[in-house]
Amino acid sequence: DTEVTQTPKHLVMGMTNKKSLKCEQHMGHRAMYWYKQKAKKPPELMFVYSYEKLSINESVPSRFSPECPNSSLLNLHLHALQPEDSALYLCASSRLAGARNTGELFFGEGSRLTVL
Amino acid sequence: GDSVTQMEGPVTLSEEAFLTINCTYTATGYPSLFWYVQYPGEGLQLLLKATKADDKGSNKGFEATYRKETTSFHLEKGSVQVSDSAVYFCALSAGGGSYIPTFGRGTSLIVHP
Repeated sequence: DTEVTQTPKHLVMGMTNKKSLKCEQHMGHRAMYWYKQKAKKPPELMFVYSYEKLSINESVPSRFSPECPNSSLLNLHLHALQPEDSALYLCASSRLAGARNTGELFFGEGSRLTVL
Repeated sequence: GDSVTQMEGPVTLSEEAFLTINCTYTATGYPSLFWYVQYPGEGLQLLLKATKADDKGSNKGFEATYRKETTSFHLEKGSVQVSDSAVYFCALSAGGGSYIPTFGRGTSLIVHP
């Protein structure tokens, strides 16, 4: 059983909709991540939060807006998406040793997004 | 920059066959190395890791040894099962990438009864 919980598991939305993906972990990890994964491809890093502050944004379009309300929660707000944004969105968390990432990620099961 | 090269799949085996999935890496400094597994319809799970040269990571019958001289971290299992069918990702974590893992392309393993 994964200790990173993502909701919803499946989401279908139109290009004009606004929706959010949610992620929660209770392992005390202070780094949280959003990844996008297309079929038969490795996960692509989107955002990293360290100590609840956005530390990495991999040039992601502004129609994706991350939020980290506290050390256990991570949201990804979606607005005006395109069909090519359909993918599996994975949340992950990891420990930090000071400012340094330990490199060992704990993933949720993902939210499968379909944009019509 | 840091990179990971994995053999292209799919790898198709019969149950109880020996498995090797090759992984080589390029990194500055001394990276940590990982194998992650993704079962159908699930997220990735850490399978095993090694943090320094000559370390052997092992879990669930899988093994991989950190070989600095050949910059490799090949995944092996002596006898695969149908339930091992999944996609396997090799990854490294190094200072050049702020220690955030860099993933290989993934290798699909299909095990037939």
